[in-house]
Amino acid sequence: DTEVTQTPKHLVMGMTNKKSLKCEQHMGHRAMYWYKQKAKKPPELMFVYSYEKLSINESVPSRFSPECPNSSLLNLHLHALQPEDSALYLCASSQVVFLNSPLHFGNGTRLTVT
Amino acid sequence: GESVGLHLPTLSVQEGDNSIINCAYSNSASDYFIWYKQESGKGPQFIIDIRSNMDKRQGQRVTVLLNKTVKHLSLQIAATQPGDSAVYFCAEKSGSARQLTFGSGTQLTVLP
Repeated sequence: DTEVTQTPKHLVMGMTNKKSLKCEQHMGHRAMYWYKQKAKKPPELMFVYSYEKLSINESVPSRFSPECPNSSLLNLHLHALQPEDSALYLCASSQVVFLNSPLHFGNGTRLTVT
Repeated sequence: GESVGLHLPTLSVQEGDNSIINCAYSNSASDYFIWYKQESGKGPQFIIDIRSNMDKRQGQRVTVLLNKTVKHLSLQIAATQPGDSAVYFCAEKSGSARQLTFGSGTQLTVLP
């Protein structure tokens, strides 16, 4: 089991749907991340939140909208996705952004866009 | 070893043997390095990290070696077990960077 919990584990959505991915950590970490991972590829950074404020947006399309309601929670709102957005979406957290400390990942949400 | 490309590098070892997974990096300013293990259907799991002021660090059955001269990082797994079968990613970061840079990954298969 990981200390970063992601829900749902699997999600199938149509291109006109709106859905949200959720992530929670209780390690007191102040940095939280969204990554996208395609099969047999390394994770690709999407967003970084530092102290609940958006710190990095890696030129992600606006159909992905992150939200950090508090220091323990991170959401990713999805709207009008494309089939090529199908991937494993990983949430991670770390103590703070600039400190050289490891990221702790959740087990991801497997998203399929039909 | 890790490389950029369409195919995941693979390493097969016999159960009980030692495994060595290699990673090359290009940024001479990199000062922090991590190894992750990713099993099928799971997220990357932190294994061990090392800072650039060290050459070697040991954990439980794992050792990370850092050669800054040739920009090379390796992960050694002692007495490899079936549960070690996974994709292993190295990642590095320089002090000025705000994010990790991941390698392309190596698929380790442990043969019975």
